[in-house]
Amino acid sequence: NAGVMQNPRHLVRRRGQEARLRCSPMKGHSHVYWYRQLPEEGLKFMVYLQKENIIDESGMPKERFSAEFPKEGPSILRIQQVVRGDSAAYFCASSFGNTIYFGEGSWLTVV
Amino acid sequence: RKEVEQDPGPFNVPEGATVAFNCTYSNSASQSFFWYRQDCRKEPKLLMSVYSSGNEDGRFTAQLNRASQYISLLIRDSKLSDSATYLCVLYSGGGADGLTFGKGTHLIIQP
Repeated sequence: NAGVMQNPRHLVRRRGQEARLRCSPMKGHSHVYWYRQLPEEGLKFMVYLQKENIIDESGMPKERFSAEFPKEGPSILRIQQVVRGDSAAYFCASSFGNTIYFGEGSWLTVV
Repeated sequence: RKEVEQDPGPFNVPEGATVAFNCTYSNSASQSFFWYRQDCRKEPKLLMSVYSSGNEDGRFTAQLNRASQYISLLIRDSKLSDSATYLCVLYSGGGADGLTFGKGTHLIIQP
């Protein structure tokens, strides 16, 4: 997976709880992309971050979702008050030009 | 017309057969094209880029037809390990936020 690290791999949350997904990009990279893959759907771009800066959040839902990439530590995708429709695979990625390399993903299940 | 359209399948193909599937796209400004492979509950991985002149990598051949706005993937002498979902991906510039993913074609190779 070209060194993009994500955790947890699997996460189960009850409706209304918060989910936090973490991502460390490829070594030497200071940017990450988050994608979401709903069941039987294609990957959808959510947000592009650099250290301490959100570059493009055009794919983020307007409510309950937030992302950050602090100066130290991994990028965090935070989902507040989760609902069943948030159940999906969340992939983090780094890119070389137009080639993207994904982490192994975090599978969120909301019960 | 959707940005990227793929036949979801599944394509059930006997081992050793040749299989081909297409992907149509609507954005004529798309610059680059890729096929990604995604195994069940795994991250997508780059299979190959697609060039106008066509390109081959072992048993895999990819073609691009800009006039008709489609790309194709041909797999010869299919193996059981080829069973996966194949994602058509377009790049329209910018960073990885310029990537558009199809929903994928599910391929099952049967012994």
